[in-house]
Amino acid sequence: GIQVEQSPPDLILQEGANSTLRCNFSDSVNNLQWFHQNPWGQLINLFYIPSGTKQNGRLSATTVATERYSLLYISSSQTTDSGVYFCAVAPGDTDKLIFGTGTRLQVFP
Amino acid sequence: DVKVTQSSRYLVKRTGEKVFLECVQDMDHENMFWYRQDPGLGLRLIYFSYDVKMKEKGDIPEGYSVSREKKERFSLILESASTNQTSMYLCASSFRNTGELFFGEGSRLTVL
Repeated sequence: GIQVEQSPPDLILQEGANSTLRCNFSDSVNNLQWFHQNPWGQLINLFYIPSGTKQNGRLSATTVATERYSLLYISSSQTTDSGVYFCAVAPGDTDKLIFGTGTRLQVFP
Repeated sequence: DVKVTQSSRYLVKRTGEKVFLECVQDMDHENMFWYRQDPGLGLRLIYFSYDVKMKEKGDIPEGYSVSREKKERFSLILESASTNQTSMYLCASSFRNTGELFFGEGSRLTVL
């Protein structure tokens, strides 16, 4: 099956810093999404981005489908950005989303 | 707002018991999913349903079954719970093809 790798596995930042999270996948996909899991366990959808670039406030994402990777940018990080960021992809003509193992982000004041 | 509601936040069951986890969504989504989340392993897909009475196995279906009798409801069944099924279970739903996924709050199951 498709492999989804996220890097780095852990990231520690001071408030105000910028960061880039990466998601590599091993096959062509029709669906790619980024999620944030807060410290209480709730998963929130950040972006639905099978290709192209999107921005939402301090967050933006870019997917280069032909090269099989996606990037999530966090600018001017805040302590509330802490948590785990997951990338999920659906290969081919299926809607079955497969998750990467995540990037754990800690932002300190 | 999309709402995905899971019936229980915390459950404690004994080995061998039959366990039902219920999930209801209110957005008329075609797709519904059950994942489990374990430390170091991320989210793993157990079962997926793309329509009423339709289901597909995910990556780890062994020991589980599902039921989708109505579009808004997707149930996960553990026929005979075992300690290795202690985990956080997450339900999610989406429209077909557009696929933006929405999650419930999760059900933390402990099997003793």
